[in-house]
Amino acid sequence: QSALTQPASLSVSPGQSITISCTGTSSDIGAFDYVSWFQQHPGTAPKLIIYDVSRRPSGVSYRFSGSKSGNTASLTISGLQAEDEADYYCSSYSSSVLGGVFGTGTKVTVL
Amino acid sequence: EVQLVESGGGLVQPGGSLRLSCAASAFTFSTCAMTWVRQAPGKGLEWVSTISGSGGEIYYSGSVKGRFTISRDNSKNTLYLQMNSLRAEDTAIYYCAKDRYSYITLGLDYWGQGILVTVSS
Repeated sequence: QSALTQPASLSVSPGQSITISCTGTSSDIGAFDYVSWFQQHPGTAPKLIIYDVSRRPSGVSYRFSGSKSGNTASLTISGLQAEDEADYYCSSYSSSVLGGVFGTGTKVTVL
Repeated sequence: EVQLVESGGGLVQPGGSLRLSCAASAFTFSTCAMTWVRQAPGKGLEWVSTISGSGGEIYYSGSVKGRFTISRDNSKNTLYLQMNSLRAEDTAIYYCAKDRYSYITLGLDYWGQGILVTVSS
């Protein structure tokens, strides 16, 4: 079962924007609009920040946005703040595994 | 407030069994698919299994298929994960999570606090 591919780490200064990519295949991201993004701080459970490719749950900052093109999904965080320093994971339904798949995870550091 | 509370974790020997439970409250349990996700120490998230709101559709990852069984009791608002033939590589924090929909999408909007399962002799 292959995970979706994300960059291992990204570093950015406060106030800047970053985009995290999540590359899959035509059996997952490319086939379904069930891409989600999660934020996880150390020692805590993940938190849903984007679902259905680009929808934000109630209470999630407008600074988080999601999109998809072909087999790649993206999470953009604008106006980075210290509290955004965390691990980020994408996920999708996959018809090849007949179930779910997570991304490899991206550690975001706010310099 | 939505709550998911896992129980049943602990230390087990290789080849042993454990049953995890996840007690849900403050939402209509039967209308939401439920998922188990695990995270090995220092590693990323791994999808384990999902059951639809009705219980009629079940999905497993290849790494647990044939060894783990997911189930739910909608009358008790409780999700279960029966884990048999446990291996060292099953050592992880196990989270139960609620899907936004009655079917699998991995739009997991609420998560439990997680429970540690350690497989070791």
